[in-house]
Amino acid sequence: KQEVTQIPAALSVPEGENLVLNCSFTDSAIYNLQWFRQDPGKGLTSLLLIQSSQREQTSGRLNASLDKSSGRSTLYIAASQPGDSATYLCAARATSGTYKYIFGTGTRLKVLA
Amino acid sequence: GAGVSQSPRYKVAKRGQDVALRCDPISGHVSLFWYQQALGQGPEFLTYFQNEAQLDKSGLPSDRFFAERPEGSVSTLKIQRTQQEDSAVYLCASSLHKGAGNTIYFGEGSWLTVV
Repeated sequence: KQEVTQIPAALSVPEGENLVLNCSFTDSAIYNLQWFRQDPGKGLTSLLLIQSSQREQTSGRLNASLDKSSGRSTLYIAASQPGDSATYLCAARATSGTYKYIFGTGTRLKVLA
Repeated sequence: GAGVSQSPRYKVAKRGQDVALRCDPISGHVSLFWYQQALGQGPEFLTYFQNEAQLDKSGLPSDRFFAERPEGSVSTLKIQRTQQEDSAVYLCASSLHKGAGNTIYFGEGSWLTVV
């Protein structure tokens, strides 16, 4: 059974700092992995989608990497801004037989001005 | 519409009451998902539709939970005889293509409180 873990659970950094959020999954046979952002009281916004054949994806100041063999993904945020403050969740989809994404519990990020 | 729309946004139900939560996915999206999110937790999968077909309902916690998407667009999640442990945010999501190999778009959720 796939389990997704995110460390740390919460993180506070000063504005301008580069930071890395970690996501681990127990079953390396995944179809893809997505990173989401969730603001308080809101739904989830997809940030980056990495297919199993890809090693990384980039969008603006965000870069997500995927290492299936080690069961890890990281989300790198460059030059963090107060507007980046939110909860970041990763979710993995198994290779076959299921349509569901398994989510981690998220990392609550606060960027201090 | 421009995004996934859910209603009601907030619902307070008395224990034992039935509730119905509605989801309007992005027009033309084939796939539709329902998730349940408890406070401080990640979303938990409930069910998946491909057009009008419910292909996976393995996450529905009990037979009090029922979902439908009769015409392959709007979906309704119904909870019968609500209990306090049903209190959560119910998130709907859709994606353009079959399966979950594409970007999925979430609504803002329906916040259910059972008192």
